[in-house]
Amino acid sequence: DAGVIQSPRHEVTEMGQEVTLRCKPISGHNSLFWYRQTMMRGLELLIYFNNNVPIDDSGMPEDRFSAKMPNASFSTLKIQPSEPRDSAVYFCASSLGVSYNEQFFGPGTRLTVL
Amino acid sequence: QKEVEQNSGPLSVPEGAIASLNCTYSDRVSQSFFWYRQYSGKSPELIMSIYSNGDKEDGRFTAQLNKASQYVSLLIRDSQPSDSATYLCAVRPSSASKIIFGSGTRLSIRP
Repeated sequence: DAGVIQSPRHEVTEMGQEVTLRCKPISGHNSLFWYRQTMMRGLELLIYFNNNVPIDDSGMPEDRFSAKMPNASFSTLKIQPSEPRDSAVYFCASSLGVSYNEQFFGPGTRLTVL
Repeated sequence: QKEVEQNSGPLSVPEGAIASLNCTYSDRVSQSFFWYRQYSGKSPELIMSIYSNGDKEDGRFTAQLNKASQYVSLLIRDSQPSDSATYLCAVRPSSASKIIFGSGTRLSIRP
């Protein structure tokens, strides 16, 4: 079975540009999580969805960040406009339910904003 | 105080020895506890979960939970060079809330 799929795997962009990261969760999983990882701040939860509905977006750093989940098999994380401090690895993870269940992580998108 | 605290390391352990990784958490009503392993440049993968006080063993890995003292540990027996990675402790404070990750402990197994 395919795991969590993320695209692109690497993204290099210039400050001010719009960036869209994509995620396809594991089929049948109904919870989806977006994380950001940096050396300084570690792994931070940005937002998570349950049954396509955003449940907690308190980790979204600013209004420049937005996330959508239009259906059970697709989610996007958008940064507009991007800034150099947004450079990080962005992980998407999915699980069957929110409670007591393992989260499976995708391979991540390494974002570099110049 | 951070919600989940780990020593960042690096922790260096000789091959074949026991590696001991520790984690403390601040929320006394936390219910679920996880250890994730993350190799350099890769994504985290779950290696152990524990929900009740005591020990839980899985192969060379043992997770230990002490809710009264608010700590959880991971023991790796017969350490191998392939165990060299960053180990992330994660805690879910309640059944409906998100998981909080620690900053990770970097483990290095020297041959």
